[in-house]
Amino acid sequence: LAKTTQPISMDSYEGQEVNITCSHNNIATNDYITWYQQFPSQGPRFIIQGYKTKVTNEVASLFIPADRKSSTLSLPRVSLSDTAVYYCLVGDYNQGGKLIFGQGTELSVKP
Amino acid sequence: GAGVSQTPSNKVTEKGKYVELRCDPISGHTALYWYRQSLGQGPEFLIYFQGTGAADDSGLPNDRFFAVRPEGSVSTLKIQRTERGDSAVYLCASSLDPVSSYEQYFGPGTRLTVT
Repeated sequence: LAKTTQPISMDSYEGQEVNITCSHNNIATNDYITWYQQFPSQGPRFIIQGYKTKVTNEVASLFIPADRKSSTLSLPRVSLSDTAVYYCLVGDYNQGGKLIFGQGTELSVKP
Repeated sequence: GAGVSQTPSNKVTEKGKYVELRCDPISGHTALYWYRQSLGQGPEFLIYFQGTGAADDSGLPNDRFFAVRPEGSVSTLKIQRTERGDSAVYLCASSLDPVSSYEQYFGPGTRLTVT
């Protein structure tokens, strides 16, 4: 499975756009990029998944360049409630199976 | 609808004791997963069930850990002769089917403390 690298922590202020970049140099052809969010004392929650270019949903956008060796999770106009740990995962889940979590990025949103 | 539920929410046990942790997945979800999470770390995979059978148990750390899902719904994670190093939050997740395994729905976890 491809190894991912992302910043350990980030700070932001309410109302700002936050971009969290994840590198995955060894991504395989069948791998998808998935992001999860985890609040304290809760299990992780799926945010978004993509394969290439751009994916957008009601929560976030995911930007993936053509070489797919990195990806950027974009959170528009964050609020205090977006303070959480964000995990970037890479894998081929079409056959089922485990999620491999790294250490994640701890995002702190300040007023 | 109801999400994934786990019981108990907290469990304190003495070293050497046996514990059982229960997971109720979302109704209709055929795939069920167990993870454990230590403080400051991401969740670590333990075992994955498809239906009643364990499709992948490669994450179980040793033979003290065992999990069952006898009727393809509720699952129990069993830990024998607990050790202090087993202290962690044990998370259960389910997905609709294997093809949807990228989107797993997690429960709130059971915090296990071994004294």
